[in-house]
Order: sequence, then C-alpha cells, then structure tokens
Amino acid sequence: KNEVEQSPQNLTAQEGEFITINCSYSVGISALHWLQQHPGGGIVSLFMLSSGKKKHGRLIATINIQEKHSSLHITASHPRDSAVYICAVIDDKIIFGKGTRLHILP
Amino acid sequence: EPEVTQTPSHQVTQMGQEVILRCVPISNHLYFYWYRQILGQKVEFLVSFYNNEISEKSEIFDDQFSVERPDGSNFTLKIRSTKLEDSAMYFCARRGRGDYGYTFGSGTRLTVV
Repeated sequence: KNEVEQSPQNLTAQEGEFITINCSYSVGISALHWLQQHPGGGIVSLFMLSSGKKKHGRLIATINIQEKHSSLHITASHPRDSAVYICAVIDDKIIFGKGTRLHILP
Repeated sequence: EPEVTQTPSHQVTQMGQEVILRCVPISNHLYFYWYRQILGQKVEFLVSFYNNEISEKSEIFDDQFSVERPDGSNFTLKIRSTKLEDSAMYFCARRGRGDYGYTFGSGTRLTVV
C-alpha cells in the first residue's frame, strides 16, 4: 500500500514569499496530482505529472521518480493562494496525502 | 462551466434517512469515482465505477452505500440509512480511458443530525 507524506502540514508566509510544499510516497506510481482545496471544500486539479516539471503561471510542480518525491512551488505568493494543497498519487487507485494548509498574509 | 457538477452542494439529513448525492460528468467518460473527506481528515476512496458497474470499493463502502448511473448521464451515490459518522464532504470524479488525469466535482457537504 502506498503511503503519501506531505510536509509541512501547515505553512504561514508573507505575501511575495517563495513557497515549497513537499510530497513523498513509498511505492512506484503511474502519475501524481497536485490538488488545491479552498475553504468552501471544492477540489481543483492543479497538475498531473509523471516525470520532470510542469509550470502554470506562478505554480511549478516537479517530480523525481527515482527518489519518489514531488514538490509544488509557488512564486510571488499572494493571499488568494491560501488553501489546502493536496498531493495524490496514482498506482492502481488514487491515494491522497493529508494536505498542507497554506496561509499567505497580506 | 465546471466539467463535473454535483448536487446538492449541501444537504442536511436526519440520522436513519436515505440520501442520494448526484454527479453529472457531462463528458462521456468511462471511469467514475466517489471519495469522501471527513472534516479535518484526508480524502478517502469509496468506490470506482467502470462500464456501468462497480470495479473496486473500499472497506468504507458497505451495504449502506450503492452507486448507479441510472440514465447514462447522472452518477449517483446513495446512502440508505445515514449515520452521524457519514457526515463528510463527498466528491465525485471522472477520468477518461488510459488517462490518469482526474476531474473532481465541487463536492456535496453532507451533515447528518
């Protein structure tokens, strides 16, 4: 069974700071999702990646398959980035991490 | 317009009542899923549905739960006799054949009182 660990669990930062959220998993996977969950509860898929790096606006996601590790970076963070960020890995099913609660202060 | 629409967005029900949560995938995808998230906990897998039948279910998905795709469009999760511990956010998701990209619905918050 795949174990998904995220760090940190909680992160508070000032507007403009560079943010990094980490995800490690224990068993080889087919792909990995980074998801964003806003206070209302809805989940939005930010990235799906199986190798390398993807960039969308101020968000960058990387994955190292050999090390079973992925990172989500936010450049020039903004209060509207405040949300829970969830890493989810896909082998034969999707397994979710517990999430990282990010709070960006103005 | 969201690709996966869930209704209702919030439902309050009395313990022991039946509830039906609905998901409209809109696109013609083959794989559908239900997940739940108890407040403060991580998202958990409930059931996957492929080609109009259950392909996998978790230990959470007991006899009180059932899923259907009654009209080829809506995808429903029924809880026959709700318990307090069924209070959670329920998400449906879909993906295409051979595609690992999931699209999630906006969720239904179920409160059992």
